[in-house]
Amino acid sequence: DTEVTQTPKHLVMGMTNKKSLKCEQHMGHRAMYWYKQKAKKPPELMFVYSYEKLSINESVPSRFSPECPNSSLLNLHLHALQPEDSALYLCASSQDGTGGLRGYTFGSGTRLTVV
Amino acid sequence: DAKTTQPNSMESNEEEPVHLPCNHSTISGTDYIHWYRQLPSQGPEYVIHGLTSNVNNRMASLAIAEDRKSSTLILHRATLRDAAVYYCILRPRYTGNQFYFGTGTSLTVIP
Repeated sequence: DTEVTQTPKHLVMGMTNKKSLKCEQHMGHRAMYWYKQKAKKPPELMFVYSYEKLSINESVPSRFSPECPNSSLLNLHLHALQPEDSALYLCASSQDGTGGLRGYTFGSGTRLTVV
Repeated sequence: DAKTTQPNSMESNEEEPVHLPCNHSTISGTDYIHWYRQLPSQGPEYVIHGLTSNVNNRMASLAIAEDRKSSTLILHRATLRDAAVYYCILRPRYTGNQFYFGTGTSLTVIP
């Protein structure tokens, strides 16, 4: 299995809702990532988990709360979002933190719309 | 973070070779050069990476300048399925979790 699976593929939520994005991989990768991508812009790094511990938080607002329950799963909990948070949220995984390896495997993303 | 500079857009005719340039003048000696591409409505996918020597795989070739301040991704025969945004990214050797995308090059393939 060489895939990163993200669910749901599409999500519409109100500003007072609480929702979660889910990401799963079964490649034995020990680093997992959340990226946010606005239309016609490159992906922006949000969070990095390495060996199930949060290692990088790119000053993301607290209305985004990541969670890594085990080495295969990564969640992004959403609460009180704003319309400007509407974007494609991408999950990725990699074998470990070194740069010489093949690199990242990305999921297809969750298209989030905040109304 | 070391940065990369790429042209915003390029065009190529189908079945022709495509050379996508990337400048990374502040690259450190331990940074790997990675290339990813993102097809419409999909997540980015790995294309190729290298450190100092030129690299080939089934998707593309990577030519790295001798001083490592620039590199070129070569698609040998562009197809319509190669239309995508191509990102050149520097990945630190020992802290490879820091993976930041630049603006990328949007490649249009003309039939």
